Amino acid sequence: GAVVSQHPSWVICKSGTSVKIECRSLDFQATTMFWYRQFPKQSLMLMATSNEGSKATYEQGVEKDKFLINHASLTLSTLTVTSAHPEDSSFYICSARDIGPGLGYGYTFGSGTRLTVV
Amino acid sequence: QKEVEQDPGPLSVPEGAIVSLNCTYSNSAFQYFMWYRQYSRKGPELLMYTYSSGNKEDGRFTAQVDKSSKYISLFIRDSQPSDSATYLCAMSDPYGGATNKLIFGTGTLLAVQP
Repeated sequence: GAVVSQHPSWVICKSGTSVKIECRSLDFQATTMFWYRQFPKQSLMLMATSNEGSKATYEQGVEKDKFLINHASLTLSTLTVTSAHPEDSSFYICSARDIGPGLGYGYTFGSGTRLTVV
Repeated sequence: QKEVEQDPGPLSVPEGAIVSLNCTYSNSAFQYFMWYRQYSRKGPELLMYTYSSGNKEDGRFTAQVDKSSKYISLFIRDSQPSDSATYLCAMSDPYGGATNKLIFGTGTLLAVQP
């Protein structure tokens, strides 16, 4: 089945630095990937929709200058948290949908990245 | 009113019990319904996917969709301790293709006691 690889699985960084998270579709091409944020014991909050070769579409209230998204190829999207602060500490998850024939409708998720800003 | 409502639990059951998880929704345009299982500190994994109304069974899991009531359910038979996780319902309308967003419920935390 479809596999989405996300790296790193966890990262600790100092306040003020930037962190890049990678999301790769391993066995399918994804023109669109989604980035979510999840706080403890809460559901997934969609941050942005990443489109290959074009600008990302951000959800209301998400700072596009703080959360930079690049979708450079059909298999790779990156999320960069710029000038990170402790309040950016969270669990970030990407997902993609493989729209190949006969594959159903489910979106595949990466394993998530736990970011801690100290 | 949220588009998707889900009882957050937590729900604790003994091993072997039948578990019923439910979500209600308000958007009648939703046609695709999914259940995801999420273990702690992991990404969600797709359990069941249903299009429109009806039932779907896969092993110990059964998904039901009642579009007239805007109500979906996931049943787990013979629950096991390994089923302990957070279960998220998600749904989407049929428009937009691959760029379609999923709308998630808040998730129900399930604990199956051995």
